[in-house]
Amino acid sequence: LAKTTQPISMDSYEGQEVNITCSHNNIATNDYITWYQQFPSQGPRFIIQGYKTKVTNEVASLFIPADRKSSTLSLPRVSLSDTAVYYCLVGAQVRMDSSYKLIFGSGTRLLVRP
Amino acid sequence: DSGVTQTPKHLITATGQRVTLRCSPRSGDLSVYWYQQSLDQGLQFLIQYYNGEERAKGNILERFSAQQFPDLHSELNLSSLELGDSALYFCASSGTSGRQETQYFGPGTRLLVL
Repeated sequence: LAKTTQPISMDSYEGQEVNITCSHNNIATNDYITWYQQFPSQGPRFIIQGYKTKVTNEVASLFIPADRKSSTLSLPRVSLSDTAVYYCLVGAQVRMDSSYKLIFGSGTRLLVRP
Repeated sequence: DSGVTQTPKHLITATGQRVTLRCSPRSGDLSVYWYQQSLDQGLQFLIQYYNGEERAKGNILERFSAQQFPDLHSELNLSSLELGDSALYFCASSGTSGRQETQYFGPGTRLLVL
């Protein structure tokens, strides 16, 4: 599984757009990029997943450049409730019943201030 | 609500004891994963089961074991407990999309070993 590098922490203010970048230089051809959010004492929650270019859902956008060696999670107009740890993961499942485990790095601690 | 349930929510026990943590995956999901999250080590993958069979092992101690039953629920057994086993234990489940799959995490079981 590709190793990922993210900033340890970020600060923002309510209403701002937050962009968290993740580096994954060794991403493989069949790897997808997935972001999870975790609040204290809760299980990680899936935010968004993408393979290339741009993906957008009701929560966030994910930008992936052509070389796929990095990705940026964009959270529009953050609120206090977006304060959490955000994890970037890359990996792929080889077969339908293949083993697939998520390797969580340290993540990025986002603090949203009023 | 991810659809993954875990019981109990909290567990307090003494060193040397044995406990069993239970997980019910989302309806239709065949894979179950167990993770341990302690303050100093972040989220660590322990083990994965797919349709009743062990598929992948991570940093799981020999004192720990797991199984997945025909109804697809899973149990994680922790024995000869030590103080360092105090942590949050998460279960996650996923389906069989054939590509990198989203894992849905349960609320976790907080284990305190005294």
